[in-house]
Amino acid sequence: GAVVSQHPSWVICKSGTSVKIECRSLDFQATTMFWYRQFPKQSLMLMATSNEGSKATYEQGVEKDKFLINHASLTLSTLTVTSAHPEDSSFYICSADRFQETQYFGPGTRLLVL
Amino acid sequence: AQTVTQSQPEMSVQEAETVTLSCTYDTSESNYYLFWYKQPPSRQMILVIRQEAYKQQNATENRFSVNFQKAAKSFSLKISDSQLGDTAMYFCAFMKRTGTASKLTFGTGTRLQVTL
Repeated sequence: GAVVSQHPSWVICKSGTSVKIECRSLDFQATTMFWYRQFPKQSLMLMATSNEGSKATYEQGVEKDKFLINHASLTLSTLTVTSAHPEDSSFYICSADRFQETQYFGPGTRLLVL
Repeated sequence: AQTVTQSQPEMSVQEAETVTLSCTYDTSESNYYLFWYKQPPSRQMILVIRQEAYKQQNATENRFSVNFQKAAKSFSLKISDSQLGDTAMYFCAFMKRTGTASKLTFGTGTRLQVTL
């Protein structure tokens, strides 16, 4: 139990385009999901907290107009990187909160912006 | 604010041996959770073990166990009978227990290499 999927696992896009990443909790409902970014050989950096049916809460320094988050159901949250640029290239990971006591992570999405 | 410190950037252990990864944290909270997550080369974050601060008994999951010292704010992970598949980055993490979903505060990680 407690499986989280993420799609796509890899995406390459041109500068200026938008990319959508999906995060799904497959066998449990998650009122809250989290989006992280990870640079090579570094720890995870929390970008935002996604709550079902309400606006996401962004961490300081994260541009909410650039990283759009939608938590449309209890099993799905999406992160859209708008007008992506090479500096947005990174590894993005989502997690889903289960029972307000444990976060389970998706496998991550590698984004490369050319 | 909470902080989590992992003072060992890299460690190495031979297969079948035992290794202990260190983690200390700082908080003024009395009710919280502590975690160890493993990130192998695939970069999938995998929950290894979870400890509830109000429980005195140390958590155990098969070959993985923790030494939780609440007064000292220490939370070390012991891996017994190390296997090649244990090679990974290990992150210690803290989460407040609030009754609602809370953020994780991560340490900087310890890279563990298991050798033959």
